[in-house]
Amino acid sequence: AQKITQTQPGMFVQEKEAVTLDCTYDTSDQSYGLFWYKQPSSGEMIFLIYQGSYDEQNATEGRYSLNFQKARKSANLVISASQLGDSAMYFCAMREGSGADGLTFGKGTHLIIQP
Amino acid sequence: NAGVMQNPRHLVRRRGQEARLRCSPMKGHSHVYWYRQLPEEGLKFMVYLQKENIIDESGMPKERFSAEFPKEGPSILRIQQVVRGDSAAYFCASSPRGASSGNTIYFGEGSWLTVV
Repeated sequence: AQKITQTQPGMFVQEKEAVTLDCTYDTSDQSYGLFWYKQPSSGEMIFLIYQGSYDEQNATEGRYSLNFQKARKSANLVISASQLGDSAMYFCAMREGSGADGLTFGKGTHLIIQP
Repeated sequence: NAGVMQNPRHLVRRRGQEARLRCSPMKGHSHVYWYRQLPEEGLKFMVYLQKENIIDESGMPKERFSAEFPKEGPSILRIQQVVRGDSAAYFCASSPRGASSGNTIYFGEGSWLTVV
């Protein structure tokens, strides 16, 4: 079973609209962390936002917020007021409390913001 | 994330040659991770190192690939006798601490290896 599932391979959104990128995860650990990264066409991986499994409030970073629903094992990224520069690949990732300290990534969502 | 330095950014090697990719972690970070990204895919964990120690290499291919993080100098990912299937982007990441959630991991800009 996949540990991180991103069900939207691609999305087209009008500029200024809000965007929700889906991410579900699978772990039996009680302690884990969830990350979102942005990868523009230039290729670098840009950290956006982090949510710990014990954090009671949803994480927010500027226009980014993480809609964390622990019981559903869901960690969707919400981008408010989308901009043309938001066009990129977006990856959800998880770090589990046990085992390797590496991140497990989803396959990504290609977001295109249209003017 | 600009603090994690990788070089070279782009590397072209012929089949059978060796590829060496370097990574200097962010200042104050002692934990380094290497990931590989094949075209149209997400990143796959390869190896996790601390200074002079390999902590987890469960994602590393058993042959031709090795990694080190010496006491002095950058971390090196070495691929011997490269094959076309090694063509990928290789990302290095660093964090100030290892285990337990809550530590942000910052990535470098990646090294793109092309095997011809």
